[in-house]
Amino acid sequence: GQQVMQIPQYQHVQEGEDFTTYCNSSTTLSNIQWYKQRPGGHPVFLIQLVKSGEVKKQKRLTFQFGEEKKNSSLHITATQTTDVGTYFCAGHQAGTALIFGKGTTLSVSS
Amino acid sequence: DTEVTQTPKHLVMGMTNKKSLKCEQHMGHRAMYWYKQKAKKPPELMFVYSYEKLSINESVPSRFSPECPNSSLLNLHLHALQPEDSALYLCASSQGRTGYEQYFGPGTRLTVT
Repeated sequence: GQQVMQIPQYQHVQEGEDFTTYCNSSTTLSNIQWYKQRPGGHPVFLIQLVKSGEVKKQKRLTFQFGEEKKNSSLHITATQTTDVGTYFCAGHQAGTALIFGKGTTLSVSS
Repeated sequence: DTEVTQTPKHLVMGMTNKKSLKCEQHMGHRAMYWYKQKAKKPPELMFVYSYEKLSINESVPSRFSPECPNSSLLNLHLHALQPEDSALYLCASSQGRTGYEQYFGPGTRLTVT
């Protein structure tokens, strides 16, 4: 079936270190979205990537979509304690509902 | 207004009770969703409404019954639930059914005793 794999499951970093989470789909995606869920909170939309090879930046966050539109990554530069939470990638195949990855939970110690 | 509201925030119900979860959005979105989320897991899609019609039912047991009274409201009726149905129930909306970002409500934390 349709799957979106995400690694790592957990990541602990020291404040100021970088962090990356990776997402892979078994099939080509129409687009990929990234969400952040703070502890005790709900998922909040971060960004959507649509084009092959697309790179988008939001301050310290860099999002990439692979050339074959099957993989994506989220990189955070110089993490801060406010970055704590679970980051989900979620992909659309043509005409299908959004498929969520299992998420990467980031913890940051100061 | 980019807010999706959900009531109640918390709900404790017995296995013989009937209760309803409510969701509202005023963004003019035409797609609305119910998700179930267990601890440390991703949201799991239950139902999708598009233009007030049920378009996806992810093989959800009949003890969960969705309803979309109008384009702004989404309900989830609960009856004869099991303890394993305890979870965070999230409502979301989007401009269209595919290719659009989803806005999530804060969720209802449901405990079935």
